[in-house]
Amino acid sequence: EDQVTQSPEALRLQEGESSSLNCSYTVSGLRGLFWYRQDPGKGPEFLFTLYSAGEEKEKERLKATLTKKESFLHITAPKPEDSATYLCAVQAEASGSRLTFGEGTQLTVNP
Amino acid sequence: DTEVTQTPKHLVMGMTNKKSLKCEQHMGHRAMYWYKQKAKKPPELMFVYSYEKLSINESVPSRFSPECPNSSLLNLHLHALQPEDSALYLCASSLRPGAASPLHFGNGTRLTVT
Repeated sequence: EDQVTQSPEALRLQEGESSSLNCSYTVSGLRGLFWYRQDPGKGPEFLFTLYSAGEEKEKERLKATLTKKESFLHITAPKPEDSATYLCAVQAEASGSRLTFGEGTQLTVNP
Repeated sequence: DTEVTQTPKHLVMGMTNKKSLKCEQHMGHRAMYWYKQKAKKPPELMFVYSYEKLSINESVPSRFSPECPNSSLLNLHLHALQPEDSALYLCASSLRPGAASPLHFGNGTRLTVT
C-alpha cells in the first residue's frame, strides 16, 4: 500500500527564516511526486512535479528535491504570504489516476 | 484565479433536497476528478472520468451521482444527503488519464447539509 508522511504537522517561522518541509513516501514504482499549496477555503494550487531521484525544481522562494525515499520543500527567506498548508502527493505506476496525499504541513510565517 | 471553475461557491441544502455541483475546464484535459475534503484533512478521491467515461468510483454512496456531459464539463448530482456529507467538494482535471501530469484543482464548493 502506498504511504505518504509529511513532517512537521505545523511550522511557525519568522519572516526571512529559511526552513524545509519533509515528505517521506513508500510506493511500489513512483510515477510522480507532486507538491501543492492550499490556502484556507481554496483548492490546492499545483507547485511542482518530480519524477526521479536527484531531480530538483525551483520557483521563487521554493525549491523541491527528491530522493528514493523522500522529498523536501525548501523555503528560502519566507514571507507572510507563503503561509499556507503544503500538501505532498505521490502517484504510483500501478495506481492509474489515483494520488496518495500526505496530511499536509501547515506553515505560518510571521512578519 | 484557477483554470477550473466550480459553481456554486457555497451551497446549503436540506436532507431531502436535490442539487447539483458544476465544474468546467477549457484546458483540453481528458481526465476529470471529484474530491471531497474535510477540515484539516487532505482531499479524498471520489470519482475519476477518463475520456468522458467513469473509470474510478471509490465506493461512493449512491446519493452522489456524477455525470460528464462532454470533455469540458463535470457535474455532481446530490440527493438525500446526510449532515456528515458537509465538506468542501473539489473538482480537478489533468492532461491525460493515468499519466504523471499534475492535477489542476478548482476552488471548490463549500457544501453544508442541514
